[in-house]
Amino acid sequence: EPEVTQTPSHQVTQMGQEVILHCVPISNHLYFYWYRQILGQKVEFLVSFYNNEISEKSEIFDDQFSVERPDGSNFTLKIRSTKLEDSAMYFCASSEETGGADTEAFFGQGTRLTVV
Amino acid sequence: GEDVEQSLFLSVREGDSSVINCTYTDSSSTYLYWYKQEPGAGLQLLTYIFSNMDMKQDQRLTVLLNKKDKHLSLRIADTQTGDSAIYFCAESSNSGYALNFGKGTSLLVTP
Repeated sequence: EPEVTQTPSHQVTQMGQEVILHCVPISNHLYFYWYRQILGQKVEFLVSFYNNEISEKSEIFDDQFSVERPDGSNFTLKIRSTKLEDSAMYFCASSEETGGADTEAFFGQGTRLTVV
Repeated sequence: GEDVEQSLFLSVREGDSSVINCTYTDSSSTYLYWYKQEPGAGLQLLTYIFSNMDMKQDQRLTVLLNKKDKHLSLRIADTQTGDSAIYFCAESSNSGYALNFGKGTSLLVTP
């Protein structure tokens, strides 16, 4: 069964460093997303991406964050200068379409980011 | 922002039914979802319900929606140890696909 793959599974970085989280969405999907979950809190939407541009983003997704689809298969989340409060589990997701319950988003297993 | 609330823990015996509850505040919620997360895995969509429905059944899963009270529940019949996981309630509106999740309910099924 096709799946969304995220690497690495765990990333430790020093405060102030840049970090890039990698995702390989399902190959025929057109819509891509990043979510995060801070320990003990709820899963929060960060950004959605379609046709090589951001289609929706939350207040969390400030200038420190960026997304890119550098080639036909990868979808990356970059945090420019990490802060302690960026420590969280980051989930990538993809879907064939968007908007509607029958457009299922498939999630990756997550990357746990720890900022020290 | 709009809120989605769930109880954090539920423990049931194998073979019993589990009922996981969720409340939400956004009256424009159009779609409501249940996701399951097993240890070390991503979020898996279990089932969903459209806001103009009040019940949906899918094998061992029954979703009940009380739109007036903004209350959603997931019932798992004949719960098995393999059902032990975290269950997330989520909602979205017509305006996009940004899912608004609850904190998740940890279901522990004991033999």
